[in-house]
Amino acid sequence: GAGVSQSPSNKVTEKGKDVELRCDPISGHTALYWYRQSLGQGLEFLIYFQGNSAPDKSGLPSDRFSAERTGGSVSTLTIQRTQQEDSAVYLCASSLRVDRRPYEQYFGPGTRLTVT
Amino acid sequence: AQSVTQLGSHVSVSEGALVLLRCNYSSSVPPYLFWYVQYPNQGLQLLLKYTSAATLVKGINGFEAEFKKSETSFHLTKPSAHMSDAAEYFCAVTGSKNEKLTFGTGTRLTIIP
Repeated sequence: GAGVSQSPSNKVTEKGKDVELRCDPISGHTALYWYRQSLGQGLEFLIYFQGNSAPDKSGLPSDRFSAERTGGSVSTLTIQRTQQEDSAVYLCASSLRVDRRPYEQYFGPGTRLTVT
Repeated sequence: AQSVTQLGSHVSVSEGALVLLRCNYSSSVPPYLFWYVQYPNQGLQLLLKYTSAATLVKGINGFEAEFKKSETSFHLTKPSAHMSDAAEYFCAVTGSKNEKLTFGTGTRLTIIP
């Protein structure tokens, strides 16, 4: 079946602009995660959703970052007033659910964001 | 709190030689451990996982890893390296509820012909 998809694959934006990154999880997966991969910080957790709820937003680096998920499926990560330090690859993952038993997280190909 | 340490940011082995990538973890709860591989300009692909069943875990592409609680380790091995194994490898840990993965800093594996 189809894997996790992300769009756009690449995004170049000017400092100060807002950007939206989209993630389509694997069908039937109720848990969805956002991570960021950058040279300086490695792979870091941003936020996760169980259904449409986001119990843990602790990884969002500032209030310029927000995310939502609608219909228990597609998620959008929004970065307002982008800064150069936001340049990174944003990875989305999904899994069957967040539960007592950990399920594998399946990753999308990522969105490479470059802020100029 | 959980963390992962990967020793060696770069590892080079000859084709056909043993591959050993090291991962040590710290966790306040029983850990669940994963190895992921990332090829250039791609996302992460799951190689194998430890979820408290067998301590020796076999994964895809001939890789395996052994969970050693006494050493807090989960090292990744492959008996014979292939050129296609060249990639970056990440060890990751999560707790019982899979709320997030905490990753190591990664090890870039180079295969020498």
